[in-house]
Amino acid sequence: KNEVEQSPQNLTAQEGEFITINCSYSVGISALHWLQQHPGGGIVSLFMLSSGKKKHGRLIATINIQEKHSSLHITASHPRDSAVYICAINQGAQKLVFGQGTRLTINP
Amino acid sequence: DAMVIQNPRYQVTQFGKPVTLSCSQTLNHNVMYWYQQKSSQAPKLLFHYYDKDFNNEADTPDNFQSRRPNTSFCFLDIRSPGLGDAAMYLCATSKQPRSADTQYFGPGTRLTVL
Repeated sequence: KNEVEQSPQNLTAQEGEFITINCSYSVGISALHWLQQHPGGGIVSLFMLSSGKKKHGRLIATINIQEKHSSLHITASHPRDSAVYICAINQGAQKLVFGQGTRLTINP
Repeated sequence: DAMVIQNPRYQVTQFGKPVTLSCSQTLNHNVMYWYQQKSSQAPKLLFHYYDKDFNNEADTPDNFQSRRPNTSFCFLDIRSPGLGDAAMYLCATSKQPRSADTQYFGPGTRLTVL
């Protein structure tokens, strides 16, 4: 079993819909990251969380340390949000352990 | 703008022919990482440098080597590429050495092995 599990693996939605991507992990962490990867492109760090909630524009990330769970929300989704969203955890040191990613497609 | 730069963006090599991928950063970060990402898979850490200290992952094949001649540059050498080494290679940096910190990724180099 992977230490980091994401759901869903694939998500297709219409423009404007509210999007939620979930991440569960099974070990103690020092931080959790949400990353975005566009097709053929590099990876962009969206959030680093160790507790609570963070917001940046239309993106919101939350984490519940007790339940070992995090969610990434996108409000008013847009086709340019189409990408793979990756959850990754730090186990103390700087090494990241990645989830398998969620492929999001937003149709106009 | 401060950034992580990878060259080339696309590299084609022949089976068994050594290849070197390059990464440079203008962020003055202490830590540099090399990841391998195969199609539809999560990135896999190959190794990282904390300053000049090299840290190899236990399952990184000996075929993969790295050099960091100075703070700004880091190289990935694949001594004898096999077909299974075709992948996207991602370089990343972070400022803090011994704690969780945001990693800044380059655009990646896509390696094709013929």
